[in-house]
Amino acid sequence: AQSVTQPDIHITVSEGASLELRCNYSYGATPYLFWYVQSPGQGLQLLLKYFSGDTLVQGIKGFEAEFKRSQSSFNLRKPSVHWSDAAEYFCAVGSYSGNTPLVFGKGTRLSVIA
Amino acid sequence: KAGVTQTPRYLIKTRGQQVTLSCSPISGHRSVSWYQQTPGQGLQFLFEYFSETQRNKGNFPGRFSGRQFSNSRSEMNVSTLELGDSALYLCASTLDQLNQETQYFGPGTRLLVL
Repeated sequence: AQSVTQPDIHITVSEGASLELRCNYSYGATPYLFWYVQSPGQGLQLLLKYFSGDTLVQGIKGFEAEFKRSQSSFNLRKPSVHWSDAAEYFCAVGSYSGNTPLVFGKGTRLSVIA
Repeated sequence: KAGVTQTPRYLIKTRGQQVTLSCSPISGHRSVSWYQQTPGQGLQFLFEYFSETQRNKGNFPGRFSGRQFSNSRSEMNVSTLELGDSALYLCASTLDQLNQETQYFGPGTRLLVL
């Protein structure tokens, strides 16, 4: 069965600093990987996704993520954080075969300080 | 295109009551999934409907049920509410393939059980 671990429950960064949110997954075959962001009181918005091909994926709002098969990781990065990036971030994994639901990590809450 | 809409946005119920939540997917999307989001458990998959048929089901008691109509709109029902059912209920839609496409999320219905 698939599983996702986001080791950091809460991260605080200064505005303008770089950001890396960690995501480790467990899946026996090639996974589909997603990062979603949730602002307070809102639903989830897709930031980026990896299905195949180039392991460095560009997303919206200046985010990128790198798929590393050897490390079973799909970390999210942003070179310079803005105050509006404060939100909760979820990593999710889907299976390559069949219509099975996504499995989400527990999320990482990002706080941005001036 | 209009996004995924959920009604109502907020709901307060008492233990033992039942509740029905509604989700209208993006036009043309045929798959609707429901998730329960709580601070302790994160995002947990409830069920998915495709063409009026339940295609996937999560590990929730039978008090949680759903259905989908011919226009792809979906409802979920929770009977005999318990305090632990207090959560944000999120609906997501995709065109067809559940785990191979982006899921578009609605803003959620926040349910408080007193």
